[in-house]
Amino acid sequence: AQKITQTQPGMFVQEKEAVTLDCTYDTSDQSYGLFWYKQPSSGEMIFLIYQGSYDEQNATEGRYSLNFQKARKSANLVISASQLGDSAMYFCAMRAYSGAGSYQLTFGKGTKLSVIP
Amino acid sequence: DGGITQSPKYLFRKEGQNVTLSCEQNLNHDAMYWYRQDPGQGLRLIYYSQIVNDFQKGDIAEGYSVSREKKESFPLTVTSAQKNPTAFYLCASRPKAGQGNQPQHFGDGTRLSIL
Repeated sequence: AQKITQTQPGMFVQEKEAVTLDCTYDTSDQSYGLFWYKQPSSGEMIFLIYQGSYDEQNATEGRYSLNFQKARKSANLVISASQLGDSAMYFCAMRAYSGAGSYQLTFGKGTKLSVIP
Repeated sequence: DGGITQSPKYLFRKEGQNVTLSCEQNLNHDAMYWYRQDPGQGLRLIYYSQIVNDFQKGDIAEGYSVSREKKESFPLTVTSAQKNPTAFYLCASRPKAGQGNQPQHFGDGTRLSIL
């Protein structure tokens, strides 16, 4: 069974600084994928970035990058130049293959990020 | 614009009552999902469907039912058997079964409370 652990319930960061949100995972699959989502207080889930287990380079999307350390089973999200609008819950999720072309996501409990002016 | 529409935004249920949450997508996605989110928790999978007229139980299906009669629609019924239904419910869809790098796209959610 897959498991995602996010050990930081809450984080604070100064505006314009960088911040790292931790995510560790547990799986026996060789092929898997990791997603990060942002959930503002309004509730919708916004996809940020994806990393496949066979991807050789760390994923980047604008101010978001993923520090993927396969041997340590960690997939930390790095947000550079934090903005006030980055204040939200952030969820790490792992893709699990459940057969017949079907993929499910297992989510961590999330980290609440607060950006301080 | 293409997207996922969940309705209503807020819903109240009386004891012993079934209620149905609507989820419609115009993204032409094959797979659709229902999640439950409790305060301070991550999302837990209730049901998912990869194709019309087929759906599978997720981790917490007891007390819930779904149907998938049309590709674009995946309604969730919270039955009276669900004793603790107060939660935030999110519907999601994916472009195509079999492509693992495709993210799930989410609706804005429905907040269900007990009267």
